[in-house]
Amino acid sequence: QQQVKQSPQSLIVQKGGISIINCAYENTAFDYFPWYQQFPGKGPALLIAIRPDVSEKKEGRFTISFNKSAKQFSLHIMDSQPGDSATYFCAASRGGTSYGKLTFGQGTILTVHP
Amino acid sequence: EAQVTQNPRYLITVTGKKLTVTCSQNMNHEYMSWYRQDPGLGLRQIYYSMNVEVTDKGDVPEGYKVSRKEKRNFPLILESPSPNQTSLYFCASKPGHSKISNQPQHFGDGTRLSIL
Repeated sequence: QQQVKQSPQSLIVQKGGISIINCAYENTAFDYFPWYQQFPGKGPALLIAIRPDVSEKKEGRFTISFNKSAKQFSLHIMDSQPGDSATYFCAASRGGTSYGKLTFGQGTILTVHP
Repeated sequence: EAQVTQNPRYLITVTGKKLTVTCSQNMNHEYMSWYRQDPGLGLRQIYYSMNVEVTDKGDVPEGYKVSRKEKRNFPLILESPSPNQTSLYFCASKPGHSKISNQPQHFGDGTRLSIL
């Protein structure tokens, strides 16, 4: 049972273009939605995160859009660069007894062509 | 440098031969966790620990054991490895021990296990 569904599985974008990765979740108790970036041979690293009380968060070229009613959130990478080529994971977690547990999406392999 | 260190980084072994993957963090984090990463499935939590001597199962604990005798270390033990445990494993740690979920987890660089 995949509680966080991520699409697309892979994405090819030209340098300077916009990369968009989408995620949908089922559990309305989730209260934290991070995106992780993973380069080959490395562990995932936190890229940007959002809480459900805001609809958008922007950090540099990276923006999370959050739609609480639709239970969806997405990552937008503006002006995509070859250095952004990596695997991206969305995730969700909640506090309480499930503190700390991250439920991950399936991952998206992003390739940015120069 | 703040980091989570896993060893070994790569291991090829045979079915049934006990192995341990070590994980150590130098950030004084209370919370530590193990994940496995498989193609098309993302990362799934195996076990976690909220503090010394406090451990609990994640989503896929079958075939694994953990221990937390010291705050900095959280080894993953495969008592009798099987081919379906061939995977990429990540250890992670997280600051604080409150019930607040939105604190970043720091991941190690992974251990690739192949069980023949």
